[in-house]
Amino acid sequence: QVQLVESGGGVVQPGRSLRLSCAGTGFPFSRRAIHWFRQAPGKGLEWVAVISDDGNSKYYGDSLKGRFTISRDNSQNTVHLQLNSLRPDDTATYYCTKAFTMFGVASDYWGQGTLVTVSS
Amino acid sequence: EIVLTQSPATLSLSPGEGATLSCRASQSLPSRYLAWYQQKSGQAPRLLIDNVSRRATDIPDRFSGSGSGTEFSLTINRLEPDDFAVYFCHQYGSSPTFGQGTKLEI
Repeated sequence: QVQLVESGGGVVQPGRSLRLSCAGTGFPFSRRAIHWFRQAPGKGLEWVAVISDDGNSKYYGDSLKGRFTISRDNSQNTVHLQLNSLRPDDTATYYCTKAFTMFGVASDYWGQGTLVTVSS
Repeated sequence: EIVLTQSPATLSLSPGEGATLSCRASQSLPSRYLAWYQQKSGQAPRLLIDNVSRRATDIPDRFSGSGSGTEFSLTINRLEPDDFAVYFCHQYGSSPTFGQGTKLEI
């Protein structure tokens, strides 16, 4: 059974950092690209970042301006998303997803998400 | 960036009726990289259709996708109570984007 479980969300003050994790089971984790998407409360979906199956390629959404970093540890079946210099408009539920490749294939499974709230 | 515009924003229908949701892209999509997701309140999105018209695993044939270039649509036949949700179109080229969603309500 495929599972993607996000963790690490919470309430954080503006300017601070947070590290999100995505643990995958039930599929060949080291042979799948992993995306992060986010959804602000009551809003639509936004692509955040993607990492290749081997971790050697990474791409980010233009709006993030270098504040976020994606990484993975295939020995732990985990992908991390480091969020730095957080702003109130980063408040959102962050989802990780899996796909066969980074681009050109739709994410076929999404985790349940972890909520990040940026507030003083 | 490819902007996806969905219409209508809200669609009010009754169970048993058919629904057509539209998605217009600001430029022609590379290949057929267009998907549709269903999202219910408090839940993660669920893949319905990818590659414009290919149904995902376990998606009933009441759901169908079509289109090309910049105009795409999702058709749902014989609406069931469980179908009322928000639907997003999504292009998964090199800089993925989503439409703003269509809320299908009873």
